[in-house]
Amino acid sequence: DAGITQSPRHKVTETGTPVTLRCHQTENHRYMYWYRQDPGHGLRLIHYSYGVKDTDKGEVSDGYSVSRSKTEDFLLTLESATSSQTSVYFCAISGGGSQPQHFGDGTRLSIL
Amino acid sequence: GESVGLHLPTLSVQEGDNSIINCAYSNSASDYFIWYKQESGKGPQFIIDIRSNMDKRQGQRVTVLLNKTVKHLSLQIAATQPGDSAVYFCAETANTGNQFYFGTGTSLTVIP
Repeated sequence: DAGITQSPRHKVTETGTPVTLRCHQTENHRYMYWYRQDPGHGLRLIHYSYGVKDTDKGEVSDGYSVSRSKTEDFLLTLESATSSQTSVYFCAISGGGSQPQHFGDGTRLSIL
Repeated sequence: GESVGLHLPTLSVQEGDNSIINCAYSNSASDYFIWYKQESGKGPQFIIDIRSNMDKRQGQRVTVLLNKTVKHLSLQIAATQPGDSAVYFCAETANTGNQFYFGTGTSLTVIP
C-alpha cells in the first residue's frame, strides 16, 4: 500500500464548528489531492497541491481551504462546517505527469 | 466540463466467469486512463492504467481496452473471484495539472 495516512478516520461534529482533516504521506510525492465522495457522484476534487505552499482549487472548493507547509502533510479545513459537507473525504498522492494517484482509506465526516 | 460515465451501475457474474466493465469518456484530449477498485470502507485501489498511444494493456487477470474513436474504455476481469466484488471506477486525465476525472462506478457482485 502507498504510504498514505488520513486522520481522523471518523469524525462527528456540529454545524458551524471548524474541522481539519490531515493527510500524511511517506512517498515524497509532489502532488497531493483532497476529494469528497458522495452517493451518485464520482470522486470530486476539492483542492490539490503541486508543491509546498502551492495549491489550487478543484471543482467543489467552496467552503474548504487547504495548506501544505511540508511535502508530507496536506491539511483540509472546513472553517464552518455545514450539513452539506457530510461526506467521505479521500486524500490522494501522485508523482505527477502520467502517473496514477494513490488513495488513503478516507475520513468519514458527519456534520449534525 | 468533464464527463466520465459507466454504462451499467451494477453487474453480477458467476464465480469463474469473465467480467467486463465499461466506461465512456467525453474529453477527446484525455491521454491517460486508470481503473480503480474500491472495497467497502476503503479507498480506491489502483488496478491498471493505459496511455492513449495504446489500445490494450494486460495485467494479472485484468485487461484494459481503449477505443479512442468512440471514447470508450473497458476493464475485463478473467475468471472472476469472490474477492473481485467491489466498485470499479474509471478515471481520465488530459494531464492538466495532473487532475483526474472519475466515473460514478460500477458495483460488481460475484456469485459463488
